[in-house]
Amino acid sequence: EIVLTQSPGTLSLSPGERATLSCWASQSVTSYYLAWYQQKPGQAPRLLIYGASSRATGIPDRFSGSGSGTDFTLTITRLEPEDFAVYYCQEYGSSPGTFGPGTRLEIK
Amino acid sequence: QVQLVQSGAEGTEVKKPGASVKVSCKASGYTFTNNHLHWVRQAPGQGLEWLGVINPRSTRTNYPQKFQGRLTLTSDTSTSTVDMELNSLTYDDTAVYYCATEGHWGAYFEYWGQGTLVTVSS
Repeated sequence: EIVLTQSPGTLSLSPGERATLSCWASQSVTSYYLAWYQQKPGQAPRLLIYGASSRATGIPDRFSGSGSGTDFTLTITRLEPEDFAVYYCQEYGSSPGTFGPGTRLEIK
Repeated sequence: QVQLVQSGAEGTEVKKPGASVKVSCKASGYTFTNNHLHWVRQAPGQGLEWLGVINPRSTRTNYPQKFQGRLTLTSDTSTSTVDMELNSLTYDDTAVYYCATEGHWGAYFEYWGQGTLVTVSS
């Protein structure tokens, strides 16, 4: 089973800044099968990125995903107030439900 | 638009240890048999945990070993509904339970239900 690690655990930034969130896999991820989700308090997760770099429907282009193999990155350029939330990565090449522990993005 | 609406009185269920809970997920806005449907849960203040998946067309299911024998997913194409039943509840099963559709290009989770809080308490 692939284990995902996310870094940092908490990221403190100001609106307008750039956020870089990392997700590492214990083994190589098959065919870029890596997704990112955003979750706000009291809400269900929201799909942002699938296939490591494809934006889901309706996701603003300030969100971008990159990476391959074991190292993946979610970048948010020009943070908006509504972007402060918890972000999870998920590997779905081997086991559909392997999630990372999450990165909390908080307002500085 | 795709919608997944979960059952549970006002989105909550309270059960005693050893009991069972059933949560329903009613799908609309797409062809029900075209997408696998997954269940994910989140304990209070914790991360996300995958529970299992069902193919509504074939009713074939897949569960991680942790939940085999205790979790049952069923589908009803006449009502576009998937039911999740979890037996032998313990305090560790206290969580928000979500249903979610599988994506078109793989087993990521594209659309989510609103969540149902299941509280196990004596």
